[in-house]
Amino acid sequence: SQTIHQWPATLVQPVGSPLSLECTVEGTSNPNLYWYRQAAGRGLQLLFYSVGIGQISSEVPQNLSASRPQDRQFILSSKKLLLSDSGFYLCAWRGRGAAYEQYFGPGTRLTVT
Amino acid sequence: QKEVEQDPGPLSVPEGAIVSLNCTYSNSAFQYFMWYRQYSRKGPELLMYTYSSGNKEDGRFTAQVDKSSKYISLFIRDSQPSDSATYLCAITGTASKLTFGTGTRLQVTL
Repeated sequence: SQTIHQWPATLVQPVGSPLSLECTVEGTSNPNLYWYRQAAGRGLQLLFYSVGIGQISSEVPQNLSASRPQDRQFILSSKKLLLSDSGFYLCAWRGRGAAYEQYFGPGTRLTVT
Repeated sequence: QKEVEQDPGPLSVPEGAIVSLNCTYSNSAFQYFMWYRQYSRKGPELLMYTYSSGNKEDGRFTAQVDKSSKYISLFIRDSQPSDSATYLCAITGTASKLTFGTGTRLQVTL
């Protein structure tokens, strides 16, 4: 069966510091991968998605970036965090083929102070 | 107008009640419909998905889609305290991206 991991689970970082969040998927090959942010009381905002190694599409211009160095690894980064980057970051995957549903990881709660 | 509208709640019901959760959408190109359940401080969990109008049942859960009205519903029968969570609808017309509602917070009381 497929499993998705995210780490760290929680993170407190000062403004201006760098960020690296990691997501890995097990049990599937060549998935579509997604990064979302969920702010308190708001819906899920799609940040980036990837259909393959090195292929990244950005949905929201901001100081975040994403990379996919391996088939089942997706990384979210920032060089300098802003207060507005605080939120709950979720990674998701979708299998190939006709299925449209996405499966989410446990999330990383980021607080920028 | 948002592409997907969902009442944020909170919705409070007694244990055993039938719960109705709803979303409306504006884009007739949307064809694929999903419901997720999200417990506090956890990632969303896929509950049900359906690709057509009509009803789909899974245990105590029934998903209903009315494409003519652009209206989708999730019914929970015999609600339990463990059903207390936020429920998100998700809709798409393409394989690449889902559009989510903001979620309805449900509280099932003893």
